[in-house]
Amino acid sequence: DAGVIQSPRHEVTEMGQEVTLRCKPISGHNSLFWYRQTMMRGLELLIYFNNNVPIDDSGMPEDRFSAKMPNASFSTLKIQPSEPRDSAVYFCASRLLTGELFFGEGSRLTVL
Amino acid sequence: AQSVAQPEDQVNVAEGNPLTVKCTYSVSGNPYLFWYVQYPNRGLQFLLKYITGDNLVKGSYGFEAEFNKSQTSFHLKKPSALVSDSALYFCAVRESGYSSASKIIFGSGTRLSIRP
Repeated sequence: DAGVIQSPRHEVTEMGQEVTLRCKPISGHNSLFWYRQTMMRGLELLIYFNNNVPIDDSGMPEDRFSAKMPNASFSTLKIQPSEPRDSAVYFCASRLLTGELFFGEGSRLTVL
Repeated sequence: AQSVAQPEDQVNVAEGNPLTVKCTYSVSGNPYLFWYVQYPNRGLQFLLKYITGDNLVKGSYGFEAEFNKSQTSFHLKKPSALVSDSALYFCAVRESGYSSASKIIFGSGTRLSIRP
């Protein structure tokens, strides 16, 4: 299996622009997680899905952030409008019932 | 709510010496505990987990961790450190119950530096 696939790996954009991050989980995994990593705040859970349904979005920082999972093989995290403080590495991870997460390589976002 | 603490931001060890990276947790019910490693510009990689059974869990790259229920700890250990072990290590805890809908919370991370 190719593992969790995230795109883009790097994104540089200007404040106010819309950003869309994409994730393809490992086939057969039924839970998908979005995390954000920064030096100041460490690894934060933003939202997670189980069987394509959002279970807990309490970590989503503001209404500017939204996430969808239209099917079992695809999820998006959207920021609109983006701000410089959104600059971070965003990770997607998927999981089987056995519990451990499998992470993608991350999307490094820089908002100027 | 569950939580996990890694009290040391950085651990420095000489190559060949044993290493320990500390982790304590708080969770209602029985904990499911994990260790992950992150190399520069990479995603987190799973090292090992404790679900139930033997308190000493063995994982990848010669790492092991000991579950201590009375001290609510799950310290990561390795008998002999390698320079290549230098990385960022995360402890994580999952909500009790084996629901597929339970989330995993990560500690703040400990940077392990192994000097030659």
